[in-house]
Amino acid sequence: QVRLVQSVAEVKKPGASVKVSCEASGYSFTIYDINWVRQAPGQGLEWMGWMNPHSGKAGYAQKFQGSVTFTRNTSITTAYMELSSLRAEDTAVYYCARGRGFSGYGSLDDWGQGTLVTVSS
Amino acid sequence: EIVMTQSPAALSVPPGERVTLSCRASQSVSSNLAWYQQKPGQSPRLLFYAASTRATGIPARFSGSGSGTEFTLTISSLQSEDFGIYYCQQYNNWPQTFGQGTKLEIK
Repeated sequence: QVRLVQSVAEVKKPGASVKVSCEASGYSFTIYDINWVRQAPGQGLEWMGWMNPHSGKAGYAQKFQGSVTFTRNTSITTAYMELSSLRAEDTAVYYCARGRGFSGYGSLDDWGQGTLVTVSS
Repeated sequence: EIVMTQSPAALSVPPGERVTLSCRASQSVSSNLAWYQQKPGQSPRLLFYAASTRATGIPARFSGSGSGTEFTLTISSLQSEDFGIYYCQQYNNWPQTFGQGTKLEIK
């Protein structure tokens, strides 16, 4: 079955960067886009963008342009989300999700367990 | 960007009752809409895509309908395990956007 296993929780200081991993199994990693969604404490879901694991091409929601980078390592079927210049408002659970569609168009069929990133001085 | 508005914000319903959740888009999203269920401490789970196509393993008591700007998620007979927050998501226009969620409690 499809599994997306994310890295453990992180605590970072303001201004630092964080890199979250998402290891995929149970399907062909390069065929389906990986999307990233975050959820601040007690809040709703916010889509950050997508990445095509085959080409490495990525697209970012405008809010995150310049502060987030999606990468992957196909040899270990793992996707990464790196968020820089962290602020307290970036405290959230970050999810990776396998997309049904491409280039940010499509439902999110399978989700990782989430990674809590806490930004605090 | 398209704004998705869900109603009601919260509701409490006894088991066995019929439940209807609504989702409205600020402009047409055709049928490019999905529904998710999220329980406390868990990741969201896909219920429907393409407005009315049930995802794998979703019980038949759940149904989705609508197109354009008005969408509905219906639970025909509420079960105790159906509690949680339900989100709609449009993926017709960039960027894809979510509604703010409807919190469903079992009375």
